[in-house]
Amino acid sequence: DQQVKQNSPSLSVQEGRISILNCDYTNSMFDYFLWYKKYPAEGPTFLISISSIKDKNEDGRFTVFLNKSAKHLSLHIVPSQPGDSAVYFCAAIYRDDKIIFGKGTRLHILP
Amino acid sequence: GAGVSQSPSNKVTEKGKDVELRCDPISGHTALYWYRQSLGQGLEFLIYFQGNSAPDKSGLPSDRFSAERTGGSVSTLTIQRTQQEDSAVYLCASSGGQVRRSTDTQYFGPGTRLTVL
Repeated sequence: DQQVKQNSPSLSVQEGRISILNCDYTNSMFDYFLWYKKYPAEGPTFLISISSIKDKNEDGRFTVFLNKSAKHLSLHIVPSQPGDSAVYFCAAIYRDDKIIFGKGTRLHILP
Repeated sequence: GAGVSQSPSNKVTEKGKDVELRCDPISGHTALYWYRQSLGQGLEFLIYFQGNSAPDKSGLPSDRFSAERTGGSVSTLTIQRTQQEDSAVYLCASSGGQVRRSTDTQYFGPGTRLTVL
């Protein structure tokens, strides 16, 4: 049973436009959420996080929104750049700090 | 070293053989995680070491899998009697503590690609 779901395996966005990556979770015990970015043949790298006490966190071009009532979070990238093409993983922390990851969404930024 | 390192980067083995995968975390990091990523799947949690606490082994898929962390630093993931379904990229990560603190983000190694023939 997947506790963190990324229902879109891939997404294509034109350069300069907004990329929106979505993530749903089922466990209401999660209290901290993270996004990671992964290039081929490399390990994932941390991108941005949000605590469950907030509904928005912004870092440069990246903004994460959290809707606790819907158990949904999203990552917005504005404006999208070619270097943003990668696989993005949504992750959530269970209270004992065991991080649960989604399956990832492959983002393609089109020229 | 500057980051998390893993060895080997690639491992091809025959079904039934044992393999050992190594992870060198960032110096001083108290937390160490092992994950695996199978084709088309997300990052599957395997095991979590935090300081001197007993490891959280709840993600290990079978008793063929084991891991240890010596001296609070280097970790070895051992897979005994490998099966074809064990083929995956095995990723190690370390962090300075609880990742919920912004200063303690989790750093991943490049992974070991295991292929079981």
